[in-house]
Amino acid sequence: KNQVEQSPQSLIILEGKNCTLQCNYTVSPFSNLRWYKQDTGRGPVSLTIMTFSENTKSNGRYTATLDADTKQSSLHITASQLSDSASYICVVRGASGGSYIPTFGRGTSLIVHP
Amino acid sequence: EPEVTQTPSHQVTQMGQEVILRCVPISNHLYFYWYRQILGQKVEFLVSFYNNEISEKSEIFDDQFSVERPDGSNFTLKIRSTKLEDSAMYFCASSETSGPTYEQYFGPGTRLTVT
Repeated sequence: KNQVEQSPQSLIILEGKNCTLQCNYTVSPFSNLRWYKQDTGRGPVSLTIMTFSENTKSNGRYTATLDADTKQSSLHITASQLSDSASYICVVRGASGGSYIPTFGRGTSLIVHP
Repeated sequence: EPEVTQTPSHQVTQMGQEVILRCVPISNHLYFYWYRQILGQKVEFLVSFYNNEISEKSEIFDDQFSVERPDGSNFTLKIRSTKLEDSAMYFCASSETSGPTYEQYFGPGTRLTVT
């Protein structure tokens, strides 16, 4: 069964600090992996997308990495800001018989304190 | 910037009642989706819709669910006879294209509470 596991479940950091969120997946065959940011009461917003051949992708202060061999990804946030407080969701899309139904992780809840 | 909108933001209904959740996708998008997120749990795919037909659906999307594009702008999710376990946040999304790397744009969600 396709699964996406994220860690930690929650994280509290001080403003200005860096942090790294982890994602492990068992989706196969693999198509792509996205990281989303979900603010409270809002829909997810895409931060990065990586396909099999990509091992790093940046979007401003967000840098995602992908190791397709170990089926692991990370999202690194640099110089955190209060507005980074949100849930960060790893979503993996497989490619089986033409189906691209995404598998979502539970998310990491990040709180940035001043 | 164009965005997906959803109404209502919060719907309270009694068990057994029918509810219709409404979405207005981004105007030039052709592919539409519904997801749900039970409180404290992960987002789950329900259904994708293109050219007035269901493209894919998950095991969750059983006979009590239906989707429709009644006009050129709205995309609706109907739950015929709601159950307590249908209480969740329902997200609509749309995309311009299909394929594995297409980007979906999510609406703000409708919180459905079944009592």
